[in-house]
Amino acid sequence: KAGVTQTPRYLIKTRGQQVTLSCSPISGHRSVSWYQQTPGQGLQFLFEYFSETQRNKGNFPGRFSGRQFSNSRSEMNVSTLELGDSALYLCASSFGGGENNEQFFGPGTRLTVL
Amino acid sequence: AQRVTQPEKLLSVFKGAPVELKCNYSYSGSPELFWYVQYSRQRLQLLLRHISRESIKGFTADLNKGETSFHLKKPFAQEEDSAMYYCALKAGGYQKVTFGTGTKLQVIP
Repeated sequence: KAGVTQTPRYLIKTRGQQVTLSCSPISGHRSVSWYQQTPGQGLQFLFEYFSETQRNKGNFPGRFSGRQFSNSRSEMNVSTLELGDSALYLCASSFGGGENNEQFFGPGTRLTVL
Repeated sequence: AQRVTQPEKLLSVFKGAPVELKCNYSYSGSPELFWYVQYSRQRLQLLLRHISRESIKGFTADLNKGETSFHLKKPFAQEEDSAMYYCALKAGGYQKVTFGTGTKLQVIP
């Protein structure tokens, strides 16, 4: 079956702009989680959506938001971009219920803020 | 708050030598621990989880609650083991996963 897909793969923006990233989970998966990966901070959890509801949230400012659609596809939005937002953004999908729920990661979207 | 510490950024070993990638965690409850691996130009993928108690590609990891550790071990390193390894902790039934900063394993032929 097809894996997790993320679009776009690369993105260049300037400070102050906003950006929307998209993630399509594996068919049948209802949970989508987003992570920010940087050389300095490593992988940091942003938020998780399950059945169109945000179920968990990490310690990121309100400029970072997301949503999930009825087909489980998810989008992440970052407003008023800052240089420090440059990172690889990963999404991961899983069935989402209970234990033994393996997360499958997408290839990531590389965001560069100039 | 939960925390995962991987003290080594880089670990270089010779082919055939034993490997131990260290991971320590802090969490007040009963966590689920995982090891993820990222090979060059590939996606992050699950290697193993403590509740499965399995050996994957010759790797094992034992959860030591007394020492709050979950070290990854392999008796004989192979060149194809060269990759980034991340230790991760999941608390509760949801998917909020805390990752360590990762250790790059380099197996020297």
